[in-house]
Amino acid sequence: QVQLQESGPGLVKPSETLSLTCTVSGGSLSSHYWSWIRQPPGKGLEWIGYIYYSGTTNYNPSLKSRITMSVDTSKNQFSLKLNSMTAADTAVYYCARLYGSGWQLEYWGQGTLVTVSS
Amino acid sequence: DIQMTQSPSSLSASVGDRVTISCRASQSVSSYLNWYQQKLGKAPNLLIYAASSLQSGVPSRFSGSGSGTDFTLTISSLQPEDFATYYCQQSYTSPYTFGQGTKLEIK
Repeated sequence: QVQLQESGPGLVKPSETLSLTCTVSGGSLSSHYWSWIRQPPGKGLEWIGYIYYSGTTNYNPSLKSRITMSVDTSKNQFSLKLNSMTAADTAVYYCARLYGSGWQLEYWGQGTLVTVSS
Repeated sequence: DIQMTQSPSSLSASVGDRVTISCRASQSVSSYLNWYQQKLGKAPNLLIYAASSLQSGVPSRFSGSGSGTDFTLTISSLQPEDFATYYCQQSYTSPYTFGQGTKLEIK
């Protein structure tokens, strides 16, 4: 069973860069697409983007200028960097595997709450 | 971006009821429509993919239908563990947008 686990700081100062890592266990990063999704407290889900194991990316245009995603196949991890953080970026950040005939988000991490505050 | 609109936004129902949640896309998404269930404080859980395919391990009381712009999630007989928020998501065109969610509450 594939499992994903997000890690990173729970608190980020305004204007700083958020760095999150998702560690995949029970399966390989290879030959799959990996995604980030976020959810502000009490609100709905926002798709951030995805990265293929080879490094190809697809970002949400609303965040594209601020995002960098990367993969480390040797560690079975992929990462998200989001710069110029503001209070509007406060959210639970999820990583997930994108897969299948419906291009569905099949496996999800438990999520990590990131708060932007000075 | 493709806008996804769910109706209703909230719904009260009783155990044993048949429940239908609708999702409408602002343009055709073919059958690239997925449904997720999210319980409080938990990650979303995939229920239905490609509009009508039941994810492995999901009870058969959940079903999905539709194509193009109009889709439906049906729960045939509500169980206590089904009270949650449900989201549709299109995966036809990036960015892969979600509906605003439908909160299913106990009557």
